[in-house]
Amino acid sequence: KAGVTQTPRYLIKTRGQQVTLSCSPISGHRSVSWYQQTPGQGLQFLFEYFSETQRNKGNFPGRFSGRQFSNSRSEMNVSTLELGDSALYLCASSLVASKETQYFGPGTRLLVL
Amino acid sequence: AQRVTQPEKLLSVFKGAPVELKCNYSYSGSPELFWYVQYSRQRLQLLLRHISRESIKGFTADLNKGETSFHLKKPFAQEEDSAMYYCALVRQGGKLIFGQGTELSVKP
Repeated sequence: KAGVTQTPRYLIKTRGQQVTLSCSPISGHRSVSWYQQTPGQGLQFLFEYFSETQRNKGNFPGRFSGRQFSNSRSEMNVSTLELGDSALYLCASSLVASKETQYFGPGTRLLVL
Repeated sequence: AQRVTQPEKLLSVFKGAPVELKCNYSYSGSPELFWYVQYSRQRLQLLLRHISRESIKGFTADLNKGETSFHLKKPFAQEEDSAMYYCALVRQGGKLIFGQGTELSVKP
């Protein structure tokens, strides 16, 4: 099976812009979770989607949002970018629940200037 | 608050030496705990989970509820074990919380 894919792999934006990141889960996986990874804060949970519904949400401001489509593909959006949003954004998929084994994508590295 | 603590940012051992990567957690319910590993230039991947009680690549981890710990151990470290190791906890409801990670460096 193909692994989790994320696009784009690298992105440079300026403050105030918005960005959309995409994640395609492993075929058959219905749960998709998003994480932000930074050197200072480590890996932080953003949200989890299952069957097109947000099932869990981390402690991030409302500028961070996401959605999931009927084919389980997911997108996350960050509006009004801030310098502190520069990070590696990881997507992970699992069969049904995030407490199962999660399979991670390679990440999208976002740089905000 | 639920928290996962990995006290060592970097652990350096020689090949063949025993290794123990520490993980402590705070959680009021019954936790589900995992170790994830990230080798250089590779994706983050599951190493083991406590409910499986299995040994992967020679690594084992035992959940100690009394000490709220889930330390990762291997009796004889190999150079290929060099990687970033993350301890993680799943809360009821499915939110996965990661520790800060420990970089393991195994020297020849």
